[in-house]
Amino acid sequence: DTAVSQTPKYLVTQMGNDKSIKCEQNLGHDTMYWYKQDSKKFLKIMFSYNNKELIINETVPNRFSPKSPDKAHLNLHINSLELGDSAVYFCASSQDLGGGEQFFGPGTRLTVL
Amino acid sequence: LAKTTQPISMDSYEGQEVNITCSHNNIATNDYITWYQQFPSQGPRFIIQGYKTKVTNEVASLFIPADRKSSTLSLPRVSLSDTAVYYCLVGVNRDDKIIFGKGTRLHILP
Repeated sequence: DTAVSQTPKYLVTQMGNDKSIKCEQNLGHDTMYWYKQDSKKFLKIMFSYNNKELIINETVPNRFSPKSPDKAHLNLHINSLELGDSAVYFCASSQDLGGGEQFFGPGTRLTVL
Repeated sequence: LAKTTQPISMDSYEGQEVNITCSHNNIATNDYITWYQQFPSQGPRFIIQGYKTKVTNEVASLFIPADRKSSTLSLPRVSLSDTAVYYCLVGVNRDDKIIFGKGTRLHILP
C-alpha cells in the first residue's frame, strides 16, 4: 500500500539510449511532480502536472518529457541520455498546486555510462 | 521564488531540543514555509508547514516571526533516528523553480 511508487529503483544505461521511469500514486491526488537530485544533493523540480496542466522548469532539456496516462500515473521519458543526466529522480504528488504537503516516492538512481 | 539559507550542518545529543533556522528574506505574500526531512536513499518526507506565528504537530514545532523573513524548526528531545537532512522550502507547489537547496545535515550523537 505504498503511497507513491517508482520503478525501477536503479537504472544503468549507456549514453545515447532512451529510457523511461514510471511513477504511480494511490493517494487520489490531482498533482504529480518529477524532481532531480544531483550529486551535490540539490533537489530541483523538473515538472508539475495537474489536470493536464503541465508546468515546466525552463532549465529542463526537451530530451525529458513527462507522460500521464491518467491522474494516478506520471512517467518520465528521457531521450538521448547524457552523462550529466546521472542523478536520483524522485516522483512526488500533492492534493493540488497550492502550498500543501508533497509525498515523495523512493527515488530512481539513474547512472549513465 | 524565495531563496532560502540554512546552516549546512548541526550536531546535537540525544534528548536535547534542536532548533534549525532558515532565512528567506524575499518571501512572497502567498508563500508557505514547509520543512521536509530526508534520510539517505529515501525521498523527502513532510514534517511541518506554516504561514505565520507558530505551528505544532506531533513531530515538531515551527516558529515564524511577524515579518516572515525567517523560520525555525524545533525538534523536541531528538533521538538517533532524527539524524537526517532537513530542508526548508518556501513557495507554493505551482512554482516552476522549486529548489530544496542543500538543507541542513543534522547529526545526533549518543
